[in-house]
Amino acid sequence: QSALTQPASVSGSLGQSITISCTGTSSDVGSYDLVSWYQQHPGKAPKLIIYEVNKRPSGVSNRFSGSKSDNTASLTISGLQAEDEADYSCCSYTGSSTPYVFGPGTKVTVL
Amino acid sequence: QVQLVQSGAEVKKPGASVKIACKASGYSFTYYAIHWVRQAPGQRLEWMGWISADNGNTKYSQKFQGRVTITRDTPARTAYMELSSLRSEDTAVYYCARVLYSLSFDPWGQGTLVTVSS
Repeated sequence: QSALTQPASVSGSLGQSITISCTGTSSDVGSYDLVSWYQQHPGKAPKLIIYEVNKRPSGVSNRFSGSKSDNTASLTISGLQAEDEADYSCCSYTGSSTPYVFGPGTKVTVL
Repeated sequence: QVQLVQSGAEVKKPGASVKIACKASGYSFTYYAIHWVRQAPGQRLEWMGWISADNGNTKYSQKFQGRVTITRDTPARTAYMELSSLRSEDTAVYYCARVLYSLSFDPWGQGTLVTVSS
């Protein structure tokens, strides 16, 4: 099962918007609208911020949004804030014997 | 609130086994599956397997098949993950997570660091 790819790092200034890509294949991202995104601060557990490509759990800021086109999903953080500095990992359902694959994570730096 | 609390850090020698507990609270335990995901230092999250808290059915990643066993104790609202024949590459933080109907992981336990060293 192929893993997902993400940029290693993305940076932006306070108040700006950034977008993180997550590229998979036609067997995972391209086949299912079951992409989720997780925010992880150093030494902490992941936290769900986007599910089913573009839905936000209750309590998650509307500055976080998701989208998908073909085999690539994207996470956009608008109005960047200092507390957004963290690692962001994407995950896709695959429907295979290994039902979930993750991206390597993208480190977001707020300048 | 919905919470998963895991057992504490472990240090094991190569060849040994480790069993991690994940206690759930704040929701109907049998309504959701519990999954296990690990993260080696500097590496991506890696799915290991899951258990239906309702009927105890399990499914494991082929990578860990034969070495991992996931169980649950329904009255205790606790799921367990046991990994055997440990090697240094198994040094990682192990997480349990509830899986929603959207097939996303929420919430996650706080993580359990397992260090495998001679």
